[in-house]
Amino acid sequence: GAVVSQHPSRVICKSGTSVKIECRSLDFQATTMFWYRQFPKQSLMLMATSNEGSKATYEQGVEKDKFLINHASLTLSTLTVTSAHPEDSSFYICSAPQGAVIDEKLFFGSGTQLSVL
Amino acid sequence: QQQVKQSPQSLIVQKGGISIINCAYENTAFDYFPWYQQFPGKGPALLIAIRPDVSEKKEGRFTISFNKSAKQFSLHIMDSQPGDSATYFCAAGRSAGRRALTFGSGTRLQVQP
Repeated sequence: GAVVSQHPSRVICKSGTSVKIECRSLDFQATTMFWYRQFPKQSLMLMATSNEGSKATYEQGVEKDKFLINHASLTLSTLTVTSAHPEDSSFYICSAPQGAVIDEKLFFGSGTQLSVL
Repeated sequence: QQQVKQSPQSLIVQKGGISIINCAYENTAFDYFPWYQQFPGKGPALLIAIRPDVSEKKEGRFTISFNKSAKQFSLHIMDSQPGDSATYFCAAGRSAGRRALTFGSGTRLQVQP
């Protein structure tokens, strides 16, 4: 089946630094990718929709200048947490739909655990 | 985002028992209802999904029951096994327009041997 690869799986950084997370669709093209954030023992909250060739769409309350999204190609989307602070520590997950319509073909990456010291 | 309410928050079931998790949604525009299984430190994996044109879907030990009029759907895990211990999320989405899913709050299932 189709696979979405997400890297790194875990990152620890100092406060004030920037961290880049990559999400790749390995055997299919994804014009859209979704970025979620998950706090411990909580649900996945949609942060933004990444669109290839255009600007990302951010959910209400998500700072676009802090969470920079770049959909560089049909197989790669990146999320950069700029000037990270301890409150940004969380589990970040990307997902990509393989099909043109919503169906079972929505694949998730394995997630990135970000810890900001 | 439109809300999807999930219960219970946690569930303990004996091996061989039936695990039942319930979800309710508000937005009648939702027409796709998947269930995801998530193990610690991993991304969610699709378990089973249903569309509102059917009231039940079964795949192996997993069954989704869907009640369109009540705007509710549930996951039944038959013959629960310790390997089923994980967090389960229901979700809802729309075929038209943006395809992002709205997730429930999750249920931590523990199956005791």
